[in-house]
Amino acid sequence: DAGVIQSPRHEVTEMGQEVTLRCKPISGHNSLFWYRQTMMRGLELLIYFNNNVPIDDSGMPEDRFSAKMPNASFSTLKIQPSEPRDSAVYFCASSLRFTNTEAFFGQGTRLTVV
Amino acid sequence: QQQVKQSPQSLIVQKGGISIINCAYENTAFDYFPWYQQFPGKGPALLIAIRPDVSEKKEGRFTISFNKSAKQFSLHIMDSQPGDSATYFCAATRDTGTASKLTFGTGTRLQVTL
Repeated sequence: DAGVIQSPRHEVTEMGQEVTLRCKPISGHNSLFWYRQTMMRGLELLIYFNNNVPIDDSGMPEDRFSAKMPNASFSTLKIQPSEPRDSAVYFCASSLRFTNTEAFFGQGTRLTVV
Repeated sequence: QQQVKQSPQSLIVQKGGISIINCAYENTAFDYFPWYQQFPGKGPALLIAIRPDVSEKKEGRFTISFNKSAKQFSLHIMDSQPGDSATYFCAATRDTGTASKLTFGTGTRLQVTL
């Protein structure tokens, strides 16, 4: 199995632009999580899905952030409009159970908003 | 609201030495405590985990010690090796099998020197 696949690995964009991060979870996993990692705040859970349904988006910082999971093999995290303070590494993770204690993380997308 | 406090922020240990990372939690409902290991440019990966019904769990050179009354747990890396150099995150959750979320510590950057 290739593991959780995220794209792009790096993204540099100008403030105000729309950014879309993509994630392909491990085949067969029914839970998917989006995290954000920064030096200041560490790892923060933004949103998670179970069976493609968003369960808890209380970690999404603002309405500028949105996430979708149209099917079991694909999810997106969109930021519109992007701001410099959104610069971080965004991780997607998936798991078999509806709990992220055994989550498998992707390699992350490093987002830089200038 | 930081529910899991981790220390130290960074740690330098000589090869062959013992690395010790400590975490303290606040929420007494937490009942699953994993440790994640993250190498540069990679996503976190589950290293070892413990439940509060035991005071210690050992896997190879890695040991978790758990003190329920003090609400503290720690990771011990015996015979530390340069390949152990990474960032380590403790985490906690209430593993209900339904809507549970991992709360991460702020991470410890470990460097093992020759």
